[in-house]
Amino acid sequence: GAVVSQHPSWVICKSGTSVKIECRSLDFQATTMFWYRQFPKQSLMLMATSNEGSKATYEQGVEKDKFLINHASLTLSTLTVTSAHPEDSSFYICSASNAGQGYEQYFGPGTRLTVT
Amino acid sequence: GQSLEQPSEVTAVEGAIVQINCTYQTSGFYGLSWYQQHDGGAPTFLSYNALDGLEETGRFSSFLSRSDSYGYLLLQELQMKDSASYFCAVGGFQKLVFGTGTRLLVSP
Repeated sequence: GAVVSQHPSWVICKSGTSVKIECRSLDFQATTMFWYRQFPKQSLMLMATSNEGSKATYEQGVEKDKFLINHASLTLSTLTVTSAHPEDSSFYICSASNAGQGYEQYFGPGTRLTVT
Repeated sequence: GQSLEQPSEVTAVEGAIVQINCTYQTSGFYGLSWYQQHDGGAPTFLSYNALDGLEETGRFSSFLSRSDSYGYLLLQELQMKDSASYFCAVGGFQKLVFGTGTRLLVSP
């Protein structure tokens, strides 16, 4: 099956610093990648959608200058949380899809970010 | 906007059958999906309905009524490992909007 990995699986950073999260599709080409954020006991909220080689499309209320998304290749997307604050502490999950392979999105295992 | 409402929590015993409902309001409709998520884990795809009716996949079945903007996930022969959160979602490979989520607790 389609496998998506994320790195790191968890990260702790100090307030004011930046942290980068990688999302890779291991055995298929991801024409589109998605980034979600999930707070404890809440649903997944879509942050942005990125297509390879294009600028990401951010959902309303998500600061594009704070959450930098790069989708430089068909197998890699990165999310950089800049100037992190404690309220950015959350579970960040990416997913990937290929338009030619049907409707399904394949999810990565998630990254737990804690900002101290 | 889009919204999907689910019951917050459902409890059941092993071997029982449980139904998790989902009502949605969307500006466009591209099918209803169901995902399972264990604590600390990633969502796992369970099923997808593009058309009205029942889809069966092993112990799990999913139903959709587009005229009622309603669907449900049916879990049969419940096992302890089914304790998890379940999310309905509308959309597809382009974009998914998730429901509020239902926490299922299965007891012995």
